[in-house]
Amino acid sequence: GQQVMQIPQYQHVQEGEDFTTYCNSSTTLSNIQWYKQRPGGHPVFLIQLVKSGEVKKQKRLTFQFGEAKKNSSLHITATQTTDVGTYFCAGIGGATNKLIFGTGTLLAVQP
Amino acid sequence: NAGVMQNPRHLVRRRGQEARLRCSPMKGHSHVYWYRQLPEEGLKFMVYLQKENIIDESGMPKERFSAEFPKEGPSILRIQQVVRGDSAAYFCASSPPDHEGYEQYFGPGTRLTVT
Repeated sequence: GQQVMQIPQYQHVQEGEDFTTYCNSSTTLSNIQWYKQRPGGHPVFLIQLVKSGEVKKQKRLTFQFGEAKKNSSLHITATQTTDVGTYFCAGIGGATNKLIFGTGTLLAVQP
Repeated sequence: NAGVMQNPRHLVRRRGQEARLRCSPMKGHSHVYWYRQLPEEGLKFMVYLQKENIIDESGMPKERFSAEFPKEGPSILRIQQVVRGDSAAYFCASSPPDHEGYEQYFGPGTRLTVT
């Protein structure tokens, strides 16, 4: 079945450093979404990308959708302690319209 | 506009008991999704429902688990004869009608502990 993998599983950075998580799907995706889940919390929608090669920015966050629509990345510039949490990508692809979540990347930020 | 509501937030059940988890989607939303999250793991899709219809239940275990979304009232995820392996956080999400593929709004989750 369709699989969505993320790397790394865990990243520990010093506050102010940059952070990137990568998302790879085994199948072509019609769109890619990104969610953030704080420890003990629930996933919160961040953004959706639809077009091949699309790049979107939200303040210090930059999201990219690959040309082949099988991969995506999230880059955070100058991390802050408020960025702590697990970042999930999620994509719709294949024969169904259900959202398949990636394995997640847990970001820890040391002040 | 209230967000997605789930109750109870925490549920403790002994092995063999039944667990009922409720989800009220956002106002105006008619698509409901249930996910399970084991500790330190990602979200696993369980079932996708619209009012009175199960659209996709490919992620639901074949036995003991069932879900419904009646015409009136919340969506219910029911787990019969719970076992320790059912301990997890169960999240419900909703999205507007005619918006498959759009963002999903998650509830706070129900944390089920089976003792």
